[in-house]
Amino acid sequence: GQQLNQSPQSMFIQEGEDVSMNCTSSSIFNTWLWYKQDPGEGPVLLIALYKAGELTSNGRLTAQFGITRKDSFLNISASIPSDVGIYFCAGPNSNSGYALNFGKGTSLLVTP
Amino acid sequence: NAGVMQNPRHLVRRRGQEARLRCSPMKGHSHVYWYRQLPEEGLKFMVYLQKENIIDESGMPKERFSAEFPKEGPSILRIQQVVRGDSAAYFCASSPLVGQGTEAFFGQGTRLTVV
Repeated sequence: GQQLNQSPQSMFIQEGEDVSMNCTSSSIFNTWLWYKQDPGEGPVLLIALYKAGELTSNGRLTAQFGITRKDSFLNISASIPSDVGIYFCAGPNSNSGYALNFGKGTSLLVTP
Repeated sequence: NAGVMQNPRHLVRRRGQEARLRCSPMKGHSHVYWYRQLPEEGLKFMVYLQKENIIDESGMPKERFSAEFPKEGPSILRIQQVVRGDSAAYFCASSPLVGQGTEAFFGQGTRLTVV
């Protein structure tokens, strides 16, 4: 199926550290999306990747679309306390381009 | 330009009652998607609607759940005879163009608790 596996499940880091998390699938995706969800809120799109090999940045965030189209990673540089939240990868369902499949998320905690 | 508005933010229902969740899409958006998030899980697609039409309800349980998006007014996700397993966060997303679920914006969600 089109399951998305995220790792690590959770991370506990100090402010200023860099963070890396990834997402893998046994299926090919043509689009990779990274979302952040703050506690009690809905997911907010951080970065969208549309092309294999693409490397895209959004401020301190950088994401890459894997060459095999079966993986993606998200890096956060110089983390700050407001980076706390759950980060989800997502990709469109192959049967319907509009429905998104989500991973289970990576929970990030940042201590000052 | 207001974002996707969902209400209520929190809803408590006793087993057997009905839950009605409302979603007003962003201005100019005529495509609505509902997702459910169980604790410690990612979001799962439930249903995709356009004005007055259900396009895809493949992710919705066959019984007790229904959705509508009338010509006027918000989209409604209705859960009849709720059970404890329905406790979850329900998110609505909207997009301006057909099928652009990847470009959708999410609301803040309705957290349903069934007691």
